[in-house]
Amino acid sequence: QKEVEQDPGPLSVPEGAIVSLNCTYSNSAFQYFMWYRQYSRKGPELLMYTYSSGNKEDGRFTAQVDKSSKYISLFIRDSQPSDSATYLCAMSPLVGFQKLVFGTGTRLLVSP
Amino acid sequence: DTEVTQTPKHLVMGMTNKKSLKCEQHMGHRAMYWYKQKAKKPPELMFVYSYEKLSINESVPSRFSPECPNSSLLNLHLHALQPEDSALYLCASSQGTVEKLFFGSGTQLSVL
Repeated sequence: QKEVEQDPGPLSVPEGAIVSLNCTYSNSAFQYFMWYRQYSRKGPELLMYTYSSGNKEDGRFTAQVDKSSKYISLFIRDSQPSDSATYLCAMSPLVGFQKLVFGTGTRLLVSP
Repeated sequence: DTEVTQTPKHLVMGMTNKKSLKCEQHMGHRAMYWYKQKAKKPPELMFVYSYEKLSINESVPSRFSPECPNSSLLNLHLHALQPEDSALYLCASSQGTVEKLFFGSGTQLSVL
């Protein structure tokens, strides 16, 4: 079993839809949870960062962490064609020079 | 300046060539990273430099040789690579905690 599981997609939605992206994990030591967006042939860009459980909102993006279920989500409201990209979840057990554990990424396609 | 700059953007090399990838950041970050990413896969950590000293080497073959000349620069020297080493090579930096990584756009490397 992988430490972090993420559906590779692709997930296809029409413009304006609410998108839900999810990851599950097995390591209960994970404390820091991140979402990265990666356009084709570009480096990942940090979208959201949360510590422990709870919600965090930034514009059209909301990140949720449910540590009891070992489940994290990223919601995108009013999705736009420019949101078409691969979304990677990543997590880490501690602050410091620890390895981030990435999910495999979900490819999102938003059609006009 | 919140950029991590990588050069070159594209590189084609033969198996007998020697080449170098370069990375630069001016955010005052004290940790710098090299990642390797194959198509449709998450980034894989190769090396971490902390305060200009190599702190993590993920058992990378010796044909990859990292160098950190100063706190703003990171190089990856390549020699006698194999076709399976073809990938997107990403540089990243962080202030000192791994959870907020800033990635460059990467170097797309093809080994013939």
